[in-house]
Amino acid sequence: QKEVEQDPGPLSVPEGAIVSLNCTYSNSAFQYFMWYRQYSRKGPELLMYTYSSGNKEDGRFTAQVDKSSKYISLFIRDSQPSDSATYLCAMSEPGGSYIPTFGRGTSLIVHP
Amino acid sequence: SAVISQKPSRDICQRGTSLTIQCQVDSQVTMMFWYRQQPGQSLTLIATANQGSEATYESGFVIDKFPISRPNLTFSTLTVSNMSPEDSSIYLCSVEDLGRDYGYTFGSGTRLTVV
Repeated sequence: QKEVEQDPGPLSVPEGAIVSLNCTYSNSAFQYFMWYRQYSRKGPELLMYTYSSGNKEDGRFTAQVDKSSKYISLFIRDSQPSDSATYLCAMSEPGGSYIPTFGRGTSLIVHP
Repeated sequence: SAVISQKPSRDICQRGTSLTIQCQVDSQVTMMFWYRQQPGQSLTLIATANQGSEATYESGFVIDKFPISRPNLTFSTLTVSNMSPEDSSIYLCSVEDLGRDYGYTFGSGTRLTVV
């Protein structure tokens, strides 16, 4: 079993839909949880991070962490075609340089 | 946030040859990281490069295959040596972005195809 599991998709939704992206993990030591967005032919860029459990909201994006279930989610409200990208979850343990372990990414397509 | 310039952006190479990828950061950083991103796979850390010391390689990666240089605090190179088609992948450099807690900034990547 991989440390971080993420469905690769693709996930295709109409513009304006609410998108839910998810990851599960097995390492209970993970404390920092991140979502990266990667456009085609670009490097990943940090979208959101959350420490431990709970929710975090930033504009149309909401990140949720449920440590008891080892499950994290990213919600995108009012999705736009410009949200079409690959979304990678990442997580790391405290201490050291916090080098993250990545999921393999979910490809999202938002069609007009 | 740090800005990373990575080159080449893509290359097609013959098997048995080597390719050196360069990564330039616009600010001084202690650690630089090299990743491989194969199609449908997660980002895999190859090695961590500190200035003035040997790079630290992750399990499954060796210095003879992926030699790394780190001559100063803003620059690093990764060489993919004696390439085979299995080395076809995207290679990315990354730095810890102190301007964003626990975030990492990535270069745009080098798309390598070995024929």
